[in-house]
Amino acid sequence: DAKTTQPPSMDCAEGRAANLPCNHSTISGNEYVYWYRQIHSQGPQYIIHGLKNNETNEMASLIITEDRKSSTLILPHATLRDTAVYYCIVRVATGNTPLVFGKGTRLSVIA
Amino acid sequence: DSGVTQTPKHLITATGQRVTLRCSPRSGDLSVYWYQQSLDQGLQFLIQYYNGEERAKGNILERFSAQQFPDLHSELNLSSLELGDSALYFCASSVAPGQGRFEQYFGPGTRLTVT
Repeated sequence: DAKTTQPPSMDCAEGRAANLPCNHSTISGNEYVYWYRQIHSQGPQYIIHGLKNNETNEMASLIITEDRKSSTLILPHATLRDTAVYYCIVRVATGNTPLVFGKGTRLSVIA
Repeated sequence: DSGVTQTPKHLITATGQRVTLRCSPRSGDLSVYWYQQSLDQGLQFLIQYYNGEERAKGNILERFSAQQFPDLHSELNLSSLELGDSALYFCASSVAPGQGRFEQYFGPGTRLTVT
């Protein structure tokens, strides 16, 4: 699986959009970008995934650049409950494979 | 609530002992994964089972073993425990047949403390 690079930490004001970047310059054509988050020692939680088109669900939006070498997870109106470590993971399309977690980005939402 | 259950929530035991962690996947999910999270190593994949068969192995020690039973629940056995085995152990499940979705759903974890 391709390696990802994320900033170690970010702050965001409550109610503002949180934009979390991820670089995956070695991504292959058959690899998806997945995002998970972990809130303080709870089990990681699936957020969203995409291949090349932008995706949106009830939790977040995922913007993938045209060359697919980077992506941004957007939480449109961050709340204190969004404070967590966010992991960007690249994995093959078949998907029934283990997740390889990096260090992720620790997002702190501030009141 | 992810639908994945793990027991026990907390476990405290002594070095050299053996423990068993249990995981029940989401209804209909065939794959079960075990992950270990320690302070210094982060989240690491240990082992995967699919419909009762071992599918993939990660950084799992020889002292650790796992199995998936016909009802699809899984157990992770940790033996000859060492202080360094203290960690959070997560189980995840995925792949209900025919849905074409592969995201994993994680349980709440078992916190193991070895003293």
